[in-house]
Amino acid sequence: DAGVTQSPTHLIKTRGQHVTLRCSPISGHKSVSWYQQVLGQGPQFIFQYYEKEERGRGNFPDRFSARQFPNYSSELNVNALLLGDSALYLCASSLEGVNFSPLHFGNGTRLTVT
Amino acid sequence: RKEVEQDPGPFNVPEGATVAFNCTYSNSASQSFFWYRQDCRKEPKLLMSVYSSGNEDGRFTAQLNRASQYISLLIRDSKLSDSATYLCVVNRGNTPLVFGKGTRLSVIA
Repeated sequence: DAGVTQSPTHLIKTRGQHVTLRCSPISGHKSVSWYQQVLGQGPQFIFQYYEKEERGRGNFPDRFSARQFPNYSSELNVNALLLGDSALYLCASSLEGVNFSPLHFGNGTRLTVT
Repeated sequence: RKEVEQDPGPFNVPEGATVAFNCTYSNSASQSFFWYRQDCRKEPKLLMSVYSSGNEDGRFTAQLNRASQYISLLIRDSKLSDSATYLCVVNRGNTPLVFGKGTRLSVIA
């Protein structure tokens, strides 16, 4: 079975641009979470979706938005990119929407903002 | 104070050594606890859940002390392949997982 897949793997954008990151969960998993990991730090929670509804949102500005599609895949959108948005963006899926379910992470999208 | 704090590392140990990582959490309502492993420039992967009674998986032993809000991970007989960053993770049930900053381990031949 395929694991969590994310695209693209790497991305370079300039300040002010917009970016869309994509994620496909493990087959049968209905919950998708997004995390941002800056170099030298642990992953920071951005969003969680379960059954296409937002279940949680971390302390990120409104420039960050996400959605989940009927097939449970998800997109993370970031508008008006800042240099500080440069990070590894991780998508994780879990079987259920409850947060003690283990998370299965994708390989991540490495975003560089110049 | 951060919700999850870990030894900053790095820990540089010889092969065969025993190494222990500590983690403290600030929210007494935390319910679930995990250790994740992250290799350089890779995604985090679940290493093991941490149960109240402590649990062991091969060379790895995890302990939880709810009274002190403290979690530990012990690695015995370290292998070169154990070199990675170890992330302490907690949650409070209906909240997302909170990750520590991670502790870097280098096992040296």
